[in-house]
Amino acid sequence: AQSVTQPDIHITVSEGASLELRCNYSYGATPYLFWYVQSPGQGLQLLLKYFSGDTLVQGIKGFEAEFKRSQSSFNLRKPSVHWSDAAEYFCAVGTGTASKLTFGTGTRLQVTL
Amino acid sequence: GAVVSQHPSWVICKSGTSVKIECRSLDFQATTMFWYRQFPKQSLMLMATSNEGSKATYEQGVEKDKFLINHASLTLSTLTVTSAHPEDSSFYICSAPRRLAGDDTQYFGPGTRLTVL
Repeated sequence: AQSVTQPDIHITVSEGASLELRCNYSYGATPYLFWYVQSPGQGLQLLLKYFSGDTLVQGIKGFEAEFKRSQSSFNLRKPSVHWSDAAEYFCAVGTGTASKLTFGTGTRLQVTL
Repeated sequence: GAVVSQHPSWVICKSGTSVKIECRSLDFQATTMFWYRQFPKQSLMLMATSNEGSKATYEQGVEKDKFLINHASLTLSTLTVTSAHPEDSSFYICSAPRRLAGDDTQYFGPGTRLTVL
């Protein structure tokens, strides 16, 4: 069975600082990996996805993630955080780009000014 | 861009009543939709896969007689919580994959918050 672990429940960073959110997955085959952001009152928004090719994936809003098979990780990064990035972030794994997903427990990002 | 809507956005009901939640894909057709449940400060848990024209596929531990799913058209799936109880209070989210050649993307609805008194 597939599973996703997000070790950090809550992270606080200062505006302008860099950010890295951790995600580890467990999946027997080649995983389809996703990062979503959830803001209050809004649906989940896809930040980026990976399933093949270059292991460094660029997404929207200046986010990127790196797939490391040896570490079973897909960490999300942003070089400079903006206050509007405060939200809940979910890592997810699926069997395809439009399949049902298994989500991690989420990381709540707080941005201080 | 593609949009998935849910109605209602929030609902309060009395224990023992049934509540229907709609999930619509507004500008694309979806033969499959997914229903998730999210408890406060927790992750999304897949409840079932809704299949247009056929029975839904439920995840282990989800009561199919309690959570009735109907996918009657290519743009609409409904989740009915029957005989709701306070423990059914949760945030219900649907998603619909849009399948285009070379770019399949899944879109999520904004969610429906159900409170059972």
